[in-house]
Amino acid sequence: GAGVSQTPSNKVTEKGKYVELRCDPISGHTALYWYRQSLGQGPEFLIYFQGTGAADDSGLPNDRFFAVRPEGSVSTLKIQRTERGDSAVYLCASSQSGNYQETQYFGPGTRLLVL
Amino acid sequence: AQSVTQPDIHITVSEGASLELRCNYSYGATPYLFWYVQSPGQGLQLLLKYFSGDTLVQGIKGFEAEFKRSQSSFNLRKPSVHWSDAAEYFCAVVPYTGGFKTIFGAGTRLFVKA
Repeated sequence: GAGVSQTPSNKVTEKGKYVELRCDPISGHTALYWYRQSLGQGPEFLIYFQGTGAADDSGLPNDRFFAVRPEGSVSTLKIQRTERGDSAVYLCASSQSGNYQETQYFGPGTRLLVL
Repeated sequence: AQSVTQPDIHITVSEGASLELRCNYSYGATPYLFWYVQSPGQGLQLLLKYFSGDTLVQGIKGFEAEFKRSQSSFNLRKPSVHWSDAAEYFCAVVPYTGGFKTIFGAGTRLFVKA
């Protein structure tokens, strides 16, 4: 079956602009995760959804970052007033029900470049 | 401070040689432990995981890892490396606090020479 997909694959924007990054999880997976991976670093947890609700958003760096999952499937990560430091690869993952023992399946990521 | 440490930024091994990638963690209680691989152009893929029980766990692609509580380590091994194993490897933990946050190490890049 289809894996986790993310769009766009690349996004170039200017400092101060607003961007939206989309994640389409594996069908039927109720748990969805967003991570940010800066160059030379491991992925950094941002937020975890269980269904439509954000169960843990402790990794969001500040109030410029926001994520939604209105129907419990597709999720959108929104970044307002982008800064050059937001440049990174944004990864999305999903798992069947959010049990920590489950495998998280990762998408290919969206590479964001803020000029 | 709670952390996951991968001491080696990069490692080079010859094809056919054995491999060991190091991972140490610093948490009050033993967390849940994972190894992931990230190949160019591909997403992160889970190699193996440890929750409890037998301290030697087998994973995909011929990898194994050994949990050593006394050393707070979870090192990844492979007896014979193939050129296709060249990739970035990440150790990760889910702290035993009931949450779902996965904490990743900074990664070790593996180079394989012919």
